[in-house]
Amino acid sequence: GAGVSQTPSNKVTEKGKYVELRCDPISGHTALYWYRQSLGQGPEFLIYFQGTGAADDSGLPNDRFFAVRPEGSVSTLKIQRTERGDSAVYLCASSSLAGGTDTQYFGPGTRLTVL
Amino acid sequence: KQEVTQIPAALSVPEGENLVLNCSFTDSAIYNLQWFRQDPGKGLTSLLLIQSSQREQTSGRLNASLDKSSGRSTLYIAASQPGDSATYLCAVPKTSYDKVIFGPGTSLSVIP
Repeated sequence: GAGVSQTPSNKVTEKGKYVELRCDPISGHTALYWYRQSLGQGPEFLIYFQGTGAADDSGLPNDRFFAVRPEGSVSTLKIQRTERGDSAVYLCASSSLAGGTDTQYFGPGTRLTVL
Repeated sequence: KQEVTQIPAALSVPEGENLVLNCSFTDSAIYNLQWFRQDPGKGLTSLLLIQSSQREQTSGRLNASLDKSSGRSTLYIAASQPGDSATYLCAVPKTSYDKVIFGPGTSLSVIP
C-alpha cells in the first residue's frame, strides 16, 4: 500500500482481556516504531524495530506489553491482562533509515478502549 | 533525559495572520528535529525535518528554524489558513539509533 496501515482502527475490550494490534509498514521500510498517545499529549515511545529485532524496547511500560516483527515487515503489539490505564491511541510508524534519521511515516492509529 | 516542551499549548488566530510555534528541548545533543502535524483522530504527518547541522528548512508557507545551542526550534506559518488548523508537534532523536521524543503539541485554530 501507499502508506502505513493499522488494524483495527478501534478496539473495545474488557479489563483483563488480551488484545493484538497490527501494523503494516510502508513496503521496504526497515525501521518500525510503536507509540502510545493519550489525550492532549504527544506520542510516547514504546518500542523500535530494525528489521526483525527490537533495537530499543525501553518504552514498554511493563511485561504485559510485547511486540513482534517476525519477518521484518508486519508488526503486532500484544497487550496481556489489559487495564483501564492502557486506553489510548496506539500509533505505528515506519522509516527507511534507522532511528530518527529519516522521516517517520505514521499510520492512523488504533484507538484502544479498556472498559 | 531528553524533555521536549512546546509553547503555547493552544493558539487561535484569524485567517491570514503569520504565526510562530515554539519547541524547546533540554539536551542539545540532538541528531535532527522534526515537525509534525496531527489532525483530530488521525495519525501524524511529517512537515519538516531539520538535520543538526542545518539552521532552517522551508516548505511552502512553513519555515522551521533550529538553534541547538539554546535548545530551541520555531515553526513559522505564513498567511495562515483555516486548513492549517491542527495540532503541531516537534520531535527529536538523540542519535541515529535513539528513540524519538515528542513534545506535547500546540493546538492551532485558524478562524475564517
